[in-house]
Amino acid sequence: SYVVTQSPSMSLAPGQTAKISCGGNNIGSKTVNWYQQRPGQAPVLVVYDDADRPSGIPDRFSGSNSGNTATLTIGRVEAGDEADYYCQVWESGRDHPVIFGGGTKLTVL
Amino acid sequence: QVQLVQSGAEMKKPGASVKVSCQASGYTFNGYYIHWVRQAPGQGLEWMGRINPNSGGANYAQKFQGRITVTRDTSIRTVYMDLSSLRPDDTAIYYCARVEAVGSFDFWGRGTLVTVSS
Repeated sequence: SYVVTQSPSMSLAPGQTAKISCGGNNIGSKTVNWYQQRPGQAPVLVVYDDADRPSGIPDRFSGSNSGNTATLTIGRVEAGDEADYYCQVWESGRDHPVIFGGGTKLTVL
Repeated sequence: QVQLVQSGAEMKKPGASVKVSCQASGYTFNGYYIHWVRQAPGQGLEWMGRINPNSGGANYAQKFQGRITVTRDTSIRTVYMDLSSLRPDDTAIYYCARVEAVGSFDFWGRGTLVTVSS
């Protein structure tokens, strides 16, 4: 089945820009969604359809998707952005249609 | 506002079954699939299955085939996830989430902790 790969962790200082990647074979042909999960909380949708933001999500969060890599970009990182971030795609026509990446832990120093 | 309210934590012995509920409110129940996703301690998200509340049709990840059943009761806007033959490695937080067709998981329940231990 389709596999998406995320780096396990990254650390940044406040104010820097985080680029969290999600790799997969020709992932640019799929639609990617991104979720933020703070410790002890349920996941929250932060980017859908590659690059759209739900209402209430700051415009510091943006997404892109091309070739073999989708990217979630968080501008001007804040302490409150410290969380695990998961990408998610659909694999149509399969018994296991929903694929999550392994998650990237963002630490704000 | 959209809410998915899940049942409380469960503690089960190996070999037992667990049934977790997810009650929806604040939107057209039949308009969105309900999915189940679990997260073992310190691990990532794992998709388990989904149900179409309109038809009742469900499909499941191959890993859970034969052990999982997802049903719904439209009269009380509630979806149930039944997992049988529990093992210690089924210890996890189980989330329900809604999805419009093949879109994004835009609302999630708070999760239900299921602990499997002898």
